[in-house]
Amino acid sequence: DGGITQSPKYLFRKEGQNVTLSCEQNLNHDAMYWYRQDPGQGLRLIYYSQIVNDFQKGDIAEGYSVSREKKESFPLTVTSAQKNPTAFYLCASSIKVADTQYFGPGTRLTVL
Amino acid sequence: GNSVTQMEGPVTLSEEAFLTINCTYTATGYPSLFWYVQYPGEGLQLLLKATKADDKGSNKGFEATYRKETTSFHLEKGSVQVSDSAVYFCALSDRGVPEIIFGSGTRLSIRP
Repeated sequence: DGGITQSPKYLFRKEGQNVTLSCEQNLNHDAMYWYRQDPGQGLRLIYYSQIVNDFQKGDIAEGYSVSREKKESFPLTVTSAQKNPTAFYLCASSIKVADTQYFGPGTRLTVL
Repeated sequence: GNSVTQMEGPVTLSEEAFLTINCTYTATGYPSLFWYVQYPGEGLQLLLKATKADDKGSNKGFEATYRKETTSFHLEKGSVQVSDSAVYFCALSDRGVPEIIFGSGTRLSIRP
C-alpha cells in the first residue's frame, strides 16, 4: 500500500524543547517537502529536498531543520528557536520537484 | 511573482445544490493548476489537476477548466452532498519553481 505516513498524529511539547516530526514515503519519489498550516490559512513551505543529501530552505525555514539521509525519509526538527511552533505540519512528496505533490495525513504540534 | 486567489468562505449550500468556487491565478510561466481537498483533521488530497490551457480536470463529480484567457480555474460540481463538506484549496505549480503556491482555502459546508 503506497503512500506517505507521518507520525505522530498529535504531539505535545513543552516550550524550549526540540521536537522531531517523522515523514516516510514508499512512492519512490525523489522530492519531499514540509509545509506549515495555521488555522484558517493556506500552506507555507518550510523546507524541500530534491534528492537524497540535498535540501533547500523554503519561505519560513527559521527555527526548523531537516535531514535527507534516505530517499524514503525526511524528518523535520522544530527547534526552540521557532517563536510560534504550534501548528499543523504537512509532509508531501513528488516524483520530481515541481511535479504533482501528494500529502501525508499531517502532525498537529502543540507547544505548552 | 506567482499567486493564487480564491473566493473567501465559508460557503454554505443545501444538499444537491450547484457549487462554484472561484480561483484565479497569476503566473510568469505556464503553470499546472490543482484543486486539493482537506477534510477535518486530515492532510490534503489531490482532487483534480490540469496541466495546460483548455484542459479540464475532473474527479468525483467535480470539474475545473484551465482558462488561460481569464487566468482562472474555477471548481464546479452539479449536485453537492453532505460528504463534500471540507476545505478546498486551489494551487499552482510553475516549471522550475519547487513549491506549490496555495490559495488561502475555501471552507464548504453542505446542510442536509
